Amino acid sequence: DAGVIQSPRHEVTEMGQEVTLRCKPISGHNSLFWYRQTMMRGLELLIYFNNNVPIDDSGMPEDRFSAKMPNASFSTLKIQPSEPRDSAVYFCASAVLNSPLHFGNGTRLTVT
Amino acid sequence: RKEVEQDPGPFNVPEGATVAFNCTYSNSASQSFFWYRQDCRKEPKLLMSVYSSGNEDGRFTAQLNRASQYISLLIRDSKLSDSATYLCVVKEKLQFGAGTQVVVTP
Repeated sequence: DAGVIQSPRHEVTEMGQEVTLRCKPISGHNSLFWYRQTMMRGLELLIYFNNNVPIDDSGMPEDRFSAKMPNASFSTLKIQPSEPRDSAVYFCASAVLNSPLHFGNGTRLTVT
Repeated sequence: RKEVEQDPGPFNVPEGATVAFNCTYSNSASQSFFWYRQDCRKEPKLLMSVYSSGNEDGRFTAQLNRASQYISLLIRDSKLSDSATYLCVVKEKLQFGAGTQVVVTP
């Protein structure tokens, strides 16, 4: 089992640029979650999907953030335009209903 | 009040000693809890589930206290490799605590 796969591992970009983070959940998992982690705020849930449908996006900071899940094996989190305060580690996780979350390695984003 | 709260620590523990810490939750209807371990610059990894009757996995024991709305994690015979941040999560709310840092010293 390859686990949750995220790319890229690191992203450094300039303020104003578009950033796209990618996630491949564990095969057979029907729930997918995007979290952001910073020292100040800890792990924050941004959005989650069940069966490719967004269920709760109340954690998405603002309109600059968007997430899609076009099929059961792929999701993206896009930030456009990026700002320095978006710098954080972004984790994707997947789960089967009522089971624990399994996290990917994360994408460390730095916006200068 | 936050949904899930933890003492950030750090808890400095001599090797071989026992350490225990709690995680409080605000929603009395919550049913599903887990402990995760996170090493520096790594992703959170599942440590153990928390069952209402309490459960043990080797040197680790998890307990649930519904009346006081907290879960606990106890580590016996601490090893240097136990040094990490321990996160609790309320599954229904998908909310993680900020984590408790444990530092095991020689």
